[in-house]
Order: sequence, then C-alpha cells, then structure tokens
Amino acid sequence: DAEITQSPRHKITETGRQVTLACHQTWNHNNMFWYRQDLGHGLRLIHYSYGVQDTNKGEVSDGYSVSRSNTEDLPLTLESAASSQTSVYFCASSKTGYTGELFFGEGSRLTVL
Amino acid sequence: GENVEQHPSTLSVQEGDSAVIKCTYSDSASNYFPWYKQELGKRPQLIIDIRSNVGEKKDQRIAVTLNKTAKHFSLHITETQPEDSAVYFCAAHMDSNYQLIWGAGTKLIIKP
Repeated sequence: DAEITQSPRHKITETGRQVTLACHQTWNHNNMFWYRQDLGHGLRLIHYSYGVQDTNKGEVSDGYSVSRSNTEDLPLTLESAASSQTSVYFCASSKTGYTGELFFGEGSRLTVL
Repeated sequence: GENVEQHPSTLSVQEGDSAVIKCTYSDSASNYFPWYKQELGKRPQLIIDIRSNVGEKKDQRIAVTLNKTAKHFSLHITETQPEDSAVYFCAAHMDSNYQLIWGAGTKLIIKP
C-alpha cells in the first residue's frame, strides 16, 4: 500500500546543531508539505513543494530549508536548531491540484535543548 | 491575509448527543473547506470537506454546512460515540496563495 513515512519519529538535539527530518511518500504525489504543530496554534505551514525542483516558503519558514530532488522525498533541515523549534513536525502530500485530501505522515517529535 | 478562527477550543458532550464546531474565515475568495480529525498521538486525517458551490454535505453521522455570506462553516456530529473523541481542525483554501489556512483546533470530549 502507498504510504508516507517520516524519520526519525523522535529526536533530541542541542541548540545550534543541524537537524534533518526525512519524509518519503510512495503515493507518487506531486505536492508535499511540512507543517509544525504546537499547542494552541494548530498546523502551521513551514515549506511546500509542487514538484521536483520546486520549493516555496510557508508562514513559518525562518530557520528551515527544504529541497526536492525527486518526487518521493522532501527532507526538512533546521540549519541551526533553536529551542523555539521544539515541536511536532508533520509531512504531508497530496495529488496535483491545489485542493484535495492531504495525507499526513505519523509525525516527528523534535526536542531542542 | 486569510485568517481562520475556530470555536470552541474545547467541547464536552454526553455520548449520544450532537456536537457542533464552527469556523469563520476572513477572505471571501476562499473556496475549499476541509475538516481533519486527529486522535491522540496520531496523524490528522480528512473526515469531510466542502467546496464553495455547495451549502451542505453529509457523510453518515457527520455533516458540514457552509454559509458564504457570513463566511463561516460548521462541522456537525450526531449521535456522538467514544471514538469521536479527538481534536478537530478546520481549514480554508484560497486560490490566490495555494495554501490551506488552519484553525487552531477543537478538542472534543465525549462523556460516557
């Protein structure tokens, strides 16, 4: 069955370190998204991609970067982790088009000490 | 920019009763309104959605209504069951920026 997987599921790191969260989908979806989820804020969009070599900033992109070298993967990199980036991160994908069901990964819980 | 407000933040209902969650949006150009359910420790999953050319949509015990004039849409759950306990998120989509804007979520508690 097609799926979307994230790794690692849990990570603890120190302030200033670089961290990469992986996201891999086998839906063959063109659209991929990274969200962070914090209590009281719902889901906030970090970066998104509508296809290979396409990346766009979301509402909370500062301190994060993504790259899209193939259809299946959209890794999220925190260049220099900060305590404010402690959160649960969700990757999601959807078929072509700007509306339609988002399929979420299981989430990655990141703690920055 | 677009803003989505969701109320209430917490809703507690007796099992078997109905639950209603309401969202308001700011941009009249919004044209797609999904609802996602997130059980504790799990990923969000789409439960129902509605487009701006439709006023109401039902799927068994859940329904969504849209009032474009007032710019609000609501999720209705009838005959609530324990498995309905979760956090529910609404969202609105605008063509102009190709993004979903999310509400802050409603924690629904079903009391036995």
